[in-house]
Amino acid sequence: SQQGEEDPQALSIQEGENATMNCSYKTSINNLQWYRQNSGRGLVHLILIRSNEREKHSGRLRVTLDTSKKSSSLLITASRAADTASYFCATDGGTYKYIFGTGTRLKVLA
Amino acid sequence: GAVVSQHPSRVICKSGTSVKIECRSLDFQATTMFWYRQFPKKSLMLMATSNEGSKATYEQGVEKDKFLINHASLTLSTLTVTSAHPEDSSFYICSAYRTAGNTIYFGEGSWLTVV
Repeated sequence: SQQGEEDPQALSIQEGENATMNCSYKTSINNLQWYRQNSGRGLVHLILIRSNEREKHSGRLRVTLDTSKKSSSLLITASRAADTASYFCATDGGTYKYIFGTGTRLKVLA
Repeated sequence: GAVVSQHPSRVICKSGTSVKIECRSLDFQATTMFWYRQFPKKSLMLMATSNEGSKATYEQGVEKDKFLINHASLTLSTLTVTSAHPEDSSFYICSAYRTAGNTIYFGEGSWLTVV
């Protein structure tokens, strides 16, 4: 399977803490994207990072990319209860056929 | 606002019937769209690549006669689940490739329940 792996599979933290999720993938990429999915809902695009970028910020989100290790991380700072969701990375593998990671289920406790 | 629309967002059908899910690109033409399936609490698995004007390309293990894909226009791809069974119950989501901007947009997904 070409599916990427994410860890941890599940993460439970207190409101205000930071949450870090990691994604590893298998093939060369043009870009990597992170998505959020609330329970029973569709995907919400969070951030796209290109293969020539190492770090990107968007609000409370920070994404890093290490193409030599084929890995990326998503950091959510000062987490809120509303951040409770599943988070997926998706890689394009050089095409636009995106492959999703296994996902991290984040629970932020108020 | 959404640039890729899926319809219906939720559908319940009886075993043995067929159900069609539409994926529309709202303000751009998409020669290529993709269909994914998600089992409960699992990740999204790519099912097939939908190509406008030609046959879809299915991923290994996906039954093309079970999941019919038609991409008859530059703004519409449809996924038809034929002779649906309860095990076909799932979340189906599409994405569309926009040439301008080199970007992929995802629809909001469709929940299918087969009873």
